[in-house]
Amino acid sequence: DSGVTQTPKHLITATGQRVTLRCSPRSGDLSVYWYQQSLDQGLQFLIQYYNGEERAKGNILERFSAQQFPDLHSELNLSSLELGDSALYFCASSVVRNTEAFFGQGTRLTVV
Amino acid sequence: SQQGEEDPQALSIQEGENATMNCSYKTSINNLQWYRQNSGRGLVHLILIRSNEREKHSGRLRVTLDTSKKSSSLLITASRAADTASYFCATDAAQGGSEKLVFGKGTKLTVNP
Repeated sequence: DSGVTQTPKHLITATGQRVTLRCSPRSGDLSVYWYQQSLDQGLQFLIQYYNGEERAKGNILERFSAQQFPDLHSELNLSSLELGDSALYFCASSVVRNTEAFFGQGTRLTVV
Repeated sequence: SQQGEEDPQALSIQEGENATMNCSYKTSINNLQWYRQNSGRGLVHLILIRSNEREKHSGRLRVTLDTSKKSSSLLITASRAADTASYFCATDAAQGGSEKLVFGKGTKLTVNP
């Protein structure tokens, strides 16, 4: 158990819908990262927060948004979903930026 | 875009053999990390090597870093079937600007019993 909790574990939704993925980082970790992993692909960096502030943005679509709350949990919002958004979405956290990151088990999103 | 690129994309070996995976990256880094992922699971951190280090060991793992060539290698000695997984390198940026922790596409290692 990495100490990072992601909910839900599985999500099936229809095209055009909006979903929210939630991440609770390890206690004491200030950095939160979000990644997308499509089938047999590497991890695409989406966005990074540090202590509530956005610190880096990757290949995140305009339909996607995220935030980190004062209690340091984070949410990734995906809207106007398309079939191609089906993927594993991982959250990770670390004590400080870009050091050893601990990953949650991911949310498997299926858009039908 | 991907910062790190692993090579080979796939590797199949027999139990007991050594496995070597390589990672090349594009920009200066503060550190380079290696992670392991069992199919469909979260990534697990294996080892971190700083830009001023050239080699690091952890159990059966040996990591080297050549900053002049912008490359790193991960050696797993005396492999076991349980080492079957995908292995990723991850890099950060050395100076201000981008603070992304970026992963490569990974090497899929299969260790046959």
